[in-house]
Amino acid sequence: NAGVTQTPKFQVLKTGQSMTLQCAQDMNHEYMSWYRQDPGMGLRLIHYSVGAGITDQGEVPNGYNVSRSTTEDFPLRLLSAAPSQTSVYFCASRATGSGTEAFFGQGTRLTVV
Amino acid sequence: AQKITQTQPGMFVQEKEAVTLDCTYDTSDQSYGLFWYKQPSSGEMIFLIYQGSYDEQNATEGRYSLNFQKARKSANLVISASQLGDSAMYFCAMREGSRVYGGSQGNLIFGKGTKLSVKP
Repeated sequence: NAGVTQTPKFQVLKTGQSMTLQCAQDMNHEYMSWYRQDPGMGLRLIHYSVGAGITDQGEVPNGYNVSRSTTEDFPLRLLSAAPSQTSVYFCASRATGSGTEAFFGQGTRLTVV
Repeated sequence: AQKITQTQPGMFVQEKEAVTLDCTYDTSDQSYGLFWYKQPSSGEMIFLIYQGSYDEQNATEGRYSLNFQKARKSANLVISASQLGDSAMYFCAMREGSRVYGGSQGNLIFGKGTKLSVKP
């Protein structure tokens, strides 16, 4: 069972570069989301999607874009990387329903220099 | 205002003893869910336990139980018989209903976490 797969696991970017963090799930979950985790801040929601073709902003969306063309994939794009985007990024998915837990990917550790 | 408050940045517990991790939440919704996740040093997020706002009994999962006090808006995690492998960050999270997409489509909002260290 693959669950939620994130790639890459580690990435170093230079300021101003762009990149895409990949997220794929094989559980046919409608809901997917991206979080960033910074020391002492917990996990903060960047963007989320309730189904293919539907995306919306979370708490900290600036500097990030998402799209959801299929149920399985939910990539996160950094348009022009900044040192403030140095963080650990988590993708999560869950089934529809009030009591369903979110399944998380392994995380991507991103450093912007 | 914070929706999820975890007031203990770090805690120590002796192996085999019980420990309570505090979590208070803020919501005006009647329907919501409360979750606890564990994050070991390896970094993955592991789901531990869930409590629905309408559940009358406290949730339990093995050595984990959730002490749900609705009037006080608290959802404390109790770990019984602590083990060395319980050393990790613990996050409390809440899901409210979504006003845009419907009741079951709400987002998960996390607290800042509590770092638990189990001493041998």
